[in-house]
Amino acid sequence: GENVEQHPSTLSVQEGDSAVIKCTYSDSASNYFPWYKQELGKRPQLIIDIRSNVGEKKDQRIAVTLNKTAKHFSLHITETQPEDSAVYFCAASGSNYGQNFVFGPGTRLSVLP
Amino acid sequence: DVKVTQSSRYLVKRTGEKVFLECVQDMDHENMFWYRQDPGLGLRLIYFSYDVKMKEKGDIPEGYSVSREKKERFSLILESASTNQTSMYLCASSPEGAPPYEQYFGPGTRLTVT
Repeated sequence: GENVEQHPSTLSVQEGDSAVIKCTYSDSASNYFPWYKQELGKRPQLIIDIRSNVGEKKDQRIAVTLNKTAKHFSLHITETQPEDSAVYFCAASGSNYGQNFVFGPGTRLSVLP
Repeated sequence: DVKVTQSSRYLVKRTGEKVFLECVQDMDHENMFWYRQDPGLGLRLIYFSYDVKMKEKGDIPEGYSVSREKKERFSLILESASTNQTSMYLCASSPEGAPPYEQYFGPGTRLTVT
């Protein structure tokens, strides 16, 4: 079945710097890749997603890139702010999995003032 | 605005007790999910349901069962709670779609089994 790996597990950056989180997936049939942010004590919330017919998507300071050939996708956060500190989860889903997502183990991002 | 609610934020139960966790969504979503969240392991799917009275096993169904008698409500049942079921439990829902749509999460229930 699908397997999603995520790196790094923890990431510390200075405020204003960029942060990059990378995920790989195993099933070439996967066609939807959401990213969720979970602040301490709160529920995961979708911050950006990308479908397999698109290579890149951007929303203000957040962007996601997808390389279908290499089966990896990345989250890019520019001009990081303290409120970006959270755990970020990538996920993959595809026709073989119906409505299910397979999540990565998460990355704890700390933005240092 | 989608709202997914869970019956308890914190729950403490004893080993061997039967435990019910309930989830309710108000957006008429077809799909509902139960995840377990543990540090370093991410979110692991226990069970999901794509329609009333329908259920499918996820990646870690052992020791759990589910019930979906109404579209808006999805219950997770621990038949005989064990200490290794101490965890954060998250419910989610999503509309039907191909490819799938965003899953909306509830606030979570932190279950401690002593």
